[in-house]
Amino acid sequence: KQEVTQIPAALSVPEGENLVLNCSFTDSAIYNLQWFRQDPGKGLTSLLLIQSSQREQTSGRLNASLDKSSGRSTLYIAASQPGDSATYLCAVTGTASKLTFGTGTRLQVTL
Amino acid sequence: NAGVTQTPKFRVLKTGQSMTLLCAQDMNHEYMYWYRQDPGMGLRLIHYSVGEGTTAKGEVPDGYNVSRLKKQNFLLGLESAAPSQTSVYFCASSYEVGSYNEQFFGPGTRLTVL
Repeated sequence: KQEVTQIPAALSVPEGENLVLNCSFTDSAIYNLQWFRQDPGKGLTSLLLIQSSQREQTSGRLNASLDKSSGRSTLYIAASQPGDSATYLCAVTGTASKLTFGTGTRLQVTL
Repeated sequence: NAGVTQTPKFRVLKTGQSMTLLCAQDMNHEYMYWYRQDPGMGLRLIHYSVGEGTTAKGEVPDGYNVSRLKKQNFLLGLESAAPSQTSVYFCASSYEVGSYNEQFFGPGTRLTVL
């Protein structure tokens, strides 16, 4: 059974700092890995999708990497801003496109 | 283009009552999913559908039923609600299976069972 772990569970950083969120998964037989953002009381917004054959994806200040063989992904956020405060979820796609989620990292960016 | 919508947004039920949650998508997606989100447990898959007229069980299907009579709609039913079903329910849809399958999520339904 696929298990996805995210470390740390919570993180507080001052504005402007670069930061890394970690995601690990136990079964490397995945189609892709997605990073989502969730604001309190809201739904999920897809940030980046890395296909299993890719090593990284970039969108603006976000960069996600994937090392499928070791079961790891990182989400790098450059020059963090208070608006980046949210919970970040990673999820891996298995058979029938079913997602298995981690429990998330709650990020607080302070002024 | 509304994407994925969910009805209702909030609901309070008494133990033993029944209800249906509606998910609708206007992106012509084949695949649709129902998840529940509980504190400290992340999102867990309840049921999913790979096309009109098909349904399958996910990780936590007990106590729920689903139907996909139309491609654009996916219904989640609770026949006899229990307090353990208090949760936030999310619907999602995707176009294809495989490496470029991006799931799009609805805004969620917050359900409380007393």
